[in-house]
Amino acid sequence: SAVISQKPSRDICQRGTSLTIQCQVDSQVTMMFWYRQQPGQSLTLIATANQGSEATYESGFVIDKFPISRPNLTFSTLTVSNMSPEDSSIYLCSVPKRGATDTQYFGPGTRLTVL
Amino acid sequence: KQEVTQIPAALSVPEGENLVLNCSFTDSAIYNLQWFRQDPGKGLTSLLLIQSSQREQTSGRLNASLDKSSGRSTLYIAASQPGDSATYLCAGHNSGNTPLVFGKGTRLSVIA
Repeated sequence: SAVISQKPSRDICQRGTSLTIQCQVDSQVTMMFWYRQQPGQSLTLIATANQGSEATYESGFVIDKFPISRPNLTFSTLTVSNMSPEDSSIYLCSVPKRGATDTQYFGPGTRLTVL
Repeated sequence: KQEVTQIPAALSVPEGENLVLNCSFTDSAIYNLQWFRQDPGKGLTSLLLIQSSQREQTSGRLNASLDKSSGRSTLYIAASQPGDSATYLCAGHNSGNTPLVFGKGTRLSVIA
């Protein structure tokens, strides 16, 4: 199984600032997914990040607010820009597992609180 | 685009009771359907994965079924225990290259 680490694990930030979340995978993957889980809610896909191309954003999410970098096949960053309290969530990165039982692996998440 | 719905949103049962959690999806071309457990403040734990060619999967006291024609999946928990208290999430995707789409989850409380 893929091992995914995220940094930071949690942070408390002030309104109007930005936070960059890092996701590191122990194997090369073409696609990485970024999800958001707001308090008491389920996971919502923010974007799909492919190495070597622009990220594809889901409806309701824009690049100016959530810029994503994908410099190589094992690493990605998600930035939450100009934060407001509504951005307080857990942010998770995920990668697909290919094989007999295609599924996805999830990182431990980054818990963000915006004051 | 796949959409996933879960009912009920919350469920409280006495210990020992058998229970069923429901999940429905809109696109019958679903590739995989997966059930996860999430404890408060914790990450996701994969419980059962049902591939499109399968009808059900079992693990211990858990049994998950998949009916593509009706767009439904159920998670059956036998002889529930207080340790089963958690949020259960259903998620599906239409290929190995597309991301999982999650339902809103069912928050289960098993009362001792």
